[in-house]
Amino acid sequence: DAGVIQSPRHEVTEMGQEVTLRCKPISGHDYLFWYRQTMMRGLELLIYFNNNVPIDDSGMPEDRFSAKMPNASFSTLKIQPSEPRDSAVYFCASSLGRGTGKGNTIYFGEGSWLTVV
Amino acid sequence: QKEVEQNSGPLSVPEGAIASLNCTYSDRGSQSFFWYRQYSGKSPELIMFIYSNGDKEDGRFTAQLNKASQYVSLLIRDSQPSDSATYLCAVNMKGYSTLTFGKGTMLLVSP
Repeated sequence: DAGVIQSPRHEVTEMGQEVTLRCKPISGHDYLFWYRQTMMRGLELLIYFNNNVPIDDSGMPEDRFSAKMPNASFSTLKIQPSEPRDSAVYFCASSLGRGTGKGNTIYFGEGSWLTVV
Repeated sequence: QKEVEQNSGPLSVPEGAIASLNCTYSDRGSQSFFWYRQYSGKSPELIMFIYSNGDKEDGRFTAQLNKASQYVSLLIRDSQPSDSATYLCAVNMKGYSTLTFGKGTMLLVSP
């Protein structure tokens, strides 16, 4: 299996620009997660989907962030407008379950390294 | 307020020693506990999970859980330089549908 695929791997953008991060989950996984990782705050869950439906977006920091999952094999995380404090590594992950029990390991993509200058 | 606390480290141990990584959590009703390993510049990967009080062994790794003390640990026996990474503790807290991650402990194993 190819694993969770994310793009772009690295992005440097100017403050105020729109950023779109993309994710292809592992085929057959019905849960998709977006996480953000920084030194200060660690690994934070932003939003997760079950069967393409957003279940919990309480971790989305503000209205500048939005996420969509139009089908089972694709999701996007969009930041508009971007700010320097959005600089972080954004991980997409997928699982057969919520990752809280046996048999539903959360598999992470390699991350998108975002720098907003 | 859900919290998972880990010492940020780095924890430095010589090759061949036992590395002990610790994690405390705030919710007494927490159900399941996970250890993820993250190499520098890479993504987290699951290495151990534990649900019941006591020890769970998998090769050189042992997870220990004490629910009364709200404490979970990871022991790595015969530590190798390849074990050098950040270890993230993750907890499934009661009332929350997904895992809560600690900030991780960096482990450095010197040859």
